[in-house]
Amino acid sequence: QVQLLESGPGLVKPSGTLSLTCAVSGDSISNNDYWWNWVRQPPGRGLEWIGEIYHSGSTNYNPSLKSRVTISVDKSKNQFSLKVSSVTAADTAVYYCATSSVYRLDYWGQGTLVTVSS
Amino acid sequence: EIVLTQSPGTLSLSPGERATLSCRASQSVSSSYLAWYQQKPGQAPRLLIYGASSRATGIPDRFSGSASGTDFTLTISRLEPEDFALYYCQQYGRSPPEYTFGQGTKLEIQ
Repeated sequence: QVQLLESGPGLVKPSGTLSLTCAVSGDSISNNDYWWNWVRQPPGRGLEWIGEIYHSGSTNYNPSLKSRVTISVDKSKNQFSLKVSSVTAADTAVYYCATSSVYRLDYWGQGTLVTVSS
Repeated sequence: EIVLTQSPGTLSLSPGERATLSCRASQSVSSSYLAWYQQKPGQAPRLLIYGASSRATGIPDRFSGSASGTDFTLTISRLEPEDFALYYCQQYGRSPPEYTFGQGTKLEIQ
């Protein structure tokens, strides 16, 4: 079974760039069955899909975030990453990485809280 | 963009009772593209149902899903104490490719 673990700074300054990494274990990030996703959840609110990447490097992004988001994959380290630029307080959230296959998000990491504050 | 509207916002029931949670799509959604998740406080969401009616691995058979047009339903036949949580529906859109979630239903102990 795939296991996912998010890591990165818990505090980011406004106008800065949020950077997170998701380490994958229990499977290869080159598994043809999976896309690799980021989802976020502001405190006390619902889930928002950010985007996904395939091991080939193909990406899909939430149109509302597309201009500020970059997702990349590092096959040598079996991990993928998220960058969100020009962050504001509205980007404060728990960020989850997750696998997707056949239109559903199968496995999730535990999540990591990122706070945007000076 | 397809919008998913979940109802009710909060559902108050007792253990042993039957829970019926609704998810309505603003336009046609293939059943293949509809999933349900459970989220407990401080935890990541867990996949319950995919393809509108297929249970994910390890999910008890008291959980079931159904579809009728743009209406999707998650039913929990006999509530166990561990079932009181938040529930989200999710759909996959192909053009552009993206996942969207409903706003959630909180299932609380009465």
